[in-house]
Amino acid sequence: DQQVKQNSPSLSVQEGRISILNCDYTNSMFDYFLWYKKYPAEGPTFLISISSIKDKNEDGRFTVFLNKSAKHLSLHIVPSQPGDSAVYFCAARGRYSGAGSYQLTFGKGTKLSVIP
Amino acid sequence: EAQVTQNPRYLITVTGKKLTVTCSQNMNHEYMSWYRQDPGLGLRQIYYSMNVEVTDKGDVPEGYKVSRKEKRNFPLILESPSPNQTSLYFCASNMGGRADTGELFFGEGSRLTVL
Repeated sequence: DQQVKQNSPSLSVQEGRISILNCDYTNSMFDYFLWYKKYPAEGPTFLISISSIKDKNEDGRFTVFLNKSAKHLSLHIVPSQPGDSAVYFCAARGRYSGAGSYQLTFGKGTKLSVIP
Repeated sequence: EAQVTQNPRYLITVTGKKLTVTCSQNMNHEYMSWYRQDPGLGLRQIYYSMNVEVTDKGDVPEGYKVSRKEKRNFPLILESPSPNQTSLYFCASNMGGRADTGELFFGEGSRLTVL
């Protein structure tokens, strides 16, 4: 069962416009959500996160919104730039394993293309 | 420079020939993990390790082994590779523990092709 879903495999946006990437989750025990960005031939890098006790977190051009009742989060990029073209993964932090770690569940990713 | 280093970055091998993908981090991180990325499937966890000599299975551990004999190293071992293990592999690490927010530091990836 896929607990973190990114239903749009790809998204194209004009430079300067807003990019909105969506993510849905099913497990109400998730308490922390993260977005990672991945360029070709590189590893994913952390972009922004949000705790489940908040509904918004902003970092420069990037804002993440969380709607707990709908089990939905979104990443807004304003304004979009060609350098933002990448694959974006949504991830959710789940249970503490007891062995000393939390486990992350990743979505399948959305490929964003920002057209100059 | 803080980093997670994987080797090799690219490898083509044949079915059944044992191989090891190495992973090393220089951030004194407790937690290390291996993921594979496949088209349409995203990132799936193979194994993880909370500390030296402590490892556990992720979501797709079949066909893989790991070891954690030193804190900085976490090699991924394919004893008898098969074509369905053709994938892009990522090692990742973080401090771990209850204060951990889940932010992972990833290596650059190792693209493995099994013929």
